[in-house]
Amino acid sequence: QVTLKESGPVLVKPTETLTLTCTVSGFSLSNARMGVSWIRQPPGKALEWLAHIFSNDEKSYSTSLKSRLTISKDTSKSQVVLTMTNMDPVDTATYYCARIKGDYGDYSLWGQGTLVTVSS
Amino acid sequence: EIVLTQSPATLSLSPGERATLSCRASQSVSSYLAWYQQKPGQAPRLLIYDASNRATGIPARFSGSGSGTDFTLTISSLEPEDFAVYYCQQRSNWLFTFGPGTKVDIK
Repeated sequence: QVTLKESGPVLVKPTETLTLTCTVSGFSLSNARMGVSWIRQPPGKALEWLAHIFSNDEKSYSTSLKSRLTISKDTSKSQVVLTMTNMDPVDTATYYCARIKGDYGDYSLWGQGTLVTVSS
Repeated sequence: EIVLTQSPATLSLSPGERATLSCRASQSVSSYLAWYQQKPGQAPRLLIYDASNRATGIPARFSGSGSGTDFTLTISSLEPEDFAVYYCQQRSNWLFTFGPGTKVDIK
């Protein structure tokens, strides 16, 4: 079965660094034309793309958040990791990882999401 | 960065009616446009990719059209399970953006 699952802290304090892990199963992160993105959604608001990592380890980042984000992967562990520095209450959101397969750039597979709250 | 605009923000319709949702890009995205459905408490579900191709398992009542900057998602006859929020998404130069969403609710 092909799945993605997010994990990480439920609560972080302002100014802290958030580290989220997406563990995939049923496919390899090294498969050609395969990539994983992180996407977030504040409560009651729209989806916001954050970062993407390709099978060849190339990366792309949201222009507005680029200075705070780092995406990486460990193919042997089937994990994609996102770090976001200097967390703020406005970063409170459900964070999703999602897979792209192929060239069209659509997210055909999503994790269940993990809610991260930023509060002191 | 390409900005996606969706209209209307809310669409109030009855079951059996036709829904027409619009997505406009600030510059051409060719056909690299996808549509998603999201229900409360759930992750988004892919409906349409490459502007007009239905994803696996998506009913034929969902159709997509358009290219360049103007795109449309049509639901030919609304079923009770179709009342949800719909997002468009593009991937120009492998930088991605989502639209603000259209909520389809029951009239």
